[in-house]
Amino acid sequence: DAGITQSPRHKVTETGTPVTLRCHQTENHRYMYWYRQDPGHGLRLIHYSYGVKDTDKGEVSDGYSVSRSKTEDFLLTLESATSSQTSVYFCAISETSGTEPTGELFFGEGSRLTVL
Amino acid sequence: QKEVEQNSGPLSVPEGAIASLNCTYSDRGSQSFFWYRQYSGKSPELIMSIYSNGDKEDGRFTAQLNKASQYVSLLIRDSQPSDSATYLCAVRQGGSYIPTFGRGTSLIVHP
Repeated sequence: DAGITQSPRHKVTETGTPVTLRCHQTENHRYMYWYRQDPGHGLRLIHYSYGVKDTDKGEVSDGYSVSRSKTEDFLLTLESATSSQTSVYFCAISETSGTEPTGELFFGEGSRLTVL
Repeated sequence: QKEVEQNSGPLSVPEGAIASLNCTYSDRGSQSFFWYRQYSGKSPELIMSIYSNGDKEDGRFTAQLNKASQYVSLLIRDSQPSDSATYLCAVRQGGSYIPTFGRGTSLIVHP
């Protein structure tokens, strides 16, 4: 158990509203990721973090922002939600070897977001 | 663009058979390879990691890596209905923080 919790687990919102998803981990992992998963597309990286205040974009970052003000929390924000952002969102952490990520990811339980 | 390709399936095998799942990747600089299992409605779960050419066995699972041919496979021996899930292949280039995932292969093990 990598001690990863996501909240909320389910959310229904309306187009144009802001939404924040939270990923909380208890084991001091340096590397954290946000993925979305859609039928036919698999897991696609939105943003990732390699330390407090250190974040970078993934392949589908448009319309999303992230923040990491402390090690244990990685927040994903949709500033103005659109129907195309209806998806299941997974947070993950990577194990490390020394200071480098191994790429072995452990996932939270997911957050299902529906934008009407 | 780094690509990881998997046949979407479904791959259907009878209980007790060997299930063979395949994955090809485009980036020759890839150094780390992973297999995840994902049950319907659940999050992906890491089941195997492999870093060097050859076979790696863990219980009923064997991962096979061939860097020259740029493929990695997962064999599941004595398949059980509980193995029915989607299997995701992921590949990480050396020096990168980011694994790239394939779209997954759906496996159905029927009694």
